[in-house]
Order: sequence, then C-alpha cells, then structure tokens
Amino acid sequence: AQTVTQSQPEMSVQEAETVTLSCTYDTSESDYYLFWYKQPPSRQMILVIRQEAYKQQNATENRFSVNFQKAAKSFSLKISDSQLGDAAMYFCAYRSGTNTGNQFYFGTGTSLTVIP
Amino acid sequence: NAGVTQTPKFQVLKTGQSMTLQCAQDMNHEYMSWYRQDPGMGLRLIHYSVGAGITDQGEVPNGYNVSRSTTEDFPLRLLSAAPSQTSVYFCASNPYLNSPLHFGNGTRLTVT
Repeated sequence: AQTVTQSQPEMSVQEAETVTLSCTYDTSESDYYLFWYKQPPSRQMILVIRQEAYKQQNATENRFSVNFQKAAKSFSLKISDSQLGDAAMYFCAYRSGTNTGNQFYFGTGTSLTVIP
Repeated sequence: NAGVTQTPKFQVLKTGQSMTLQCAQDMNHEYMSWYRQDPGMGLRLIHYSVGAGITDQGEVPNGYNVSRSTTEDFPLRLLSAAPSQTSVYFCASNPYLNSPLHFGNGTRLTVT
C-alpha cells in the first residue's frame, strides 16, 4: 500500500498571507495522480486541485497551486491571499494510475487556521 | 443535480445491532466507494464497486458488506456493530478510473 504523509497536523496563517501545506508520498510507480481535498467544519470533502504525475507543469486553481517534485515524491499545496473561508482540514491523496481497484490513499490531514 | 446523497447524517447504535448506510448518486458514475474517517488516520477505503454487480474489498472491509444492484445505489451494511466502528463514513463516486472522487456529506456513526 502506498503511504501518504502530511507532517504538519496544524498550521496557521494570517488573512491575506500565503501558506504552504506539505505532503510526501511513497511509491515505486511512475504513473499516478495526486489530489488535495478540503474539509471545512461542515464535514463536506471538496476537491481543491489535481495533479497528474506525467505532467511536469504544476497545477493551479485560482489562489491554489501545487509544487510537485516527482523525484522527491513531494506534493505541497500553496494557498495565496488566504481568506477566512480557507480555514479547514486539508487532505492530500494519492491514486495509482495503473491499479484498476480505484483505491485512493489519504494522508492524515493538516488543520489550517486563518487568523483575521 | 444532487450529486452523492448519504442517509442518515447521524446514527447511534448499540453493540450488536445491524444497520444499512444508504448512498445514492445521480451522476451516472460507474465507480463508487465507501471510506471511513477516524481522527489521526485520514480516510481509509472499506469497499468499492467498479460497476453494477461488481464489488471488491478495500483496506478495512471486516464487519461490512456492500452490494451494487444498480448504478445509482451503493449501500453499506454493518452486520453486528462494534464500538470500533464508531467513525464518520463517506460514500464517494467517480466517473472513470483516475478521476477525482465526488463525496457525499458523510454519516457520523456512534456505537455504544
């Protein structure tokens, strides 16, 4: 089984500032997909961003961008111009590109606090 | 579109009781999954389905059964509830392999 590690259980950021959440993963595969999900207090799981391993270009979605370092097996999420609504638990997830079993592996999450 | 709908939102069971968590999706997705979320452990896959009539076990399948008689529905059955099954349960669907998961709003289950 693949292992996804989020080493920062909690992070905080001042409103309008930038914060980076870390994620590393362990795999021997070359074809895979990485995701960041946001879980606000409402408990809903919301897709933030997706990265295909075969793409060298880092994915971006408005204020959210990733730093994908394939050789280092690192997939960090950068949130720019942080807003109060960004406060949530953030989960990093890995999915094999070749396994047909639809298994996603999740990290343990990082709780982000946004300070007004 | 309602997306993925889970019922109930909350449930309390006594040890040994059985129940079914319901999950329905209206997006015509082929793939459906059940995850459980426990503090400090992220989400772990219980069972999944790659189409009507096809199911398979995930990482933590013991104590749970699933079936997939239609594309839309994927119920999760707890056979004999145990306190270790106290958790938040998420149903998810995706249209094809490698596409992101679309989650329901979760069911918080407490087993006393």
